[in-house]
Parts: sequence; structure tokens; C-alpha cells
Amino acid sequence: DGGITQSPKYLFRKEGQNVTLSCEQNLNHDAMYWYRQDPGQGLRLIYYSQIVNDFQKGDIAEGYSVSREKKESFPLTVTSAQKNPTAFYLCASSTALNNYGYTFGSGTRLTVV
Amino acid sequence: QKEVEQNSGPLSVPEGAIASLNCTYSDRVSQSFFWYRQYSGKSPELIMSIYSNGDKEDGRFTAQLNKASQYVSLLIRDSQPSDSATYLCAVNRLTGGGNKLTFGTGTQLKVEL
Repeated sequence: DGGITQSPKYLFRKEGQNVTLSCEQNLNHDAMYWYRQDPGQGLRLIYYSQIVNDFQKGDIAEGYSVSREKKESFPLTVTSAQKNPTAFYLCASSTALNNYGYTFGSGTRLTVV
Repeated sequence: QKEVEQNSGPLSVPEGAIASLNCTYSDRVSQSFFWYRQYSGKSPELIMSIYSNGDKEDGRFTAQLNKASQYVSLLIRDSQPSDSATYLCAVNRLTGGGNKLTFGTGTQLKVEL
């Protein structure tokens, strides 16, 4: 079955540590996205990529980095520069024209300890 | 003005009633519209898409679109306790970085026994 997989489901980060969240899709989608959701809040766009080897900053890119070396994969690194990283992180993918909306992964819950 | 606006709720309806969720958007050239359902602690799932003015029905769900008034709504007939969730309205916009969804902050629906 086609889908989008995020791992890990839960992640704990120490102060000053970089962590990488994985996102893999086998839907043959061109576009991929990373969102952050805080309790009781909406989705905020971190980074997105419309094509391999190209990506753009979203509304809250500071303290985050991404890569898109393969069509199927779009990992997100939360760096030590992100001062308040505790949140629910959602990866999504879509066709290039986004005719059918996004398919979301199951999310990664990141907590700073 | 926010790009996509929804009442945050909570909207409380009795079991069996019709729940009406509303959304307005600011970009007149938007062409496609989506409703997502998000249970607490889970990722959003697509429940309806609509592209043309008028109504679109799928089971107990009806999406309504009025491009002249720039609003889209979701009706849930025969509401069930399992419908209790946050409903996100999303609008597809063509930007310099390609097609992207802009999400509202969501309306929390509570279906009471």
C-alpha cells in the first residue's frame, strides 16, 4: 500500500542537540512538506520541496534544515538554534499541482528534556 | 485578515443533529478546497475536496463552495460521537514556490450523547 511514513513516533532531545526526523513516501508524489503543530494551534509550514534537490523556506524555517536528495525522502533536522522545539511535527506529500490535497504521515512528537 | 479563517469553537451538537462548519478565505483565485479531520494526538486525514461552486456529497458529509462570497462549508448529517474532532479547512493557492495548501486553525466539534 502506498503511503507516507514518519519516524520515530516519539523523540526526546537534550538541550543543544540536533535531531533528525525521517519522512519517506512511496506515492510517487513530487512535492513534500514539513509542518509544526503546537497544542491547540494550527499547522505552521516549516519547509517544502516541489522537486528533488530544491526546497523553500516556509513561515517558521529558523532553527530547522532539510534536504531532498531523493524523491521519496525529505528529512527534517531540528538544530540547537531552534529554541522551543517541543511540538508535533507532520510531514505531508502531494502531486505537483496539488489537485487532490495532501497526504499526511502519522507525525513525530518531539520533546526537549 | 487571515488567509483562511475558521471559528475555533468548540461547536457542540447533540447526537443525530447536523453539524455546520464554516470557513472563509481571502485569495479570490484559489481553485481547490479541502476539509481535513484531526483527532486529538493524530495527524489530519482528508475527508472532502471541492473544486466547483455548489454542493458535493459523500455519505454523511456535504461540502459547499461559494467562490463569489469566498466561503466553503462542511455539513455533517446524523452527527455521531466519533465525529468529535478538529476540522481543518485548507485552500490551495498558487504561490511563487508552487501550489501550496493554506490551513485554517480548525474548528473543534463535540458531539454530545
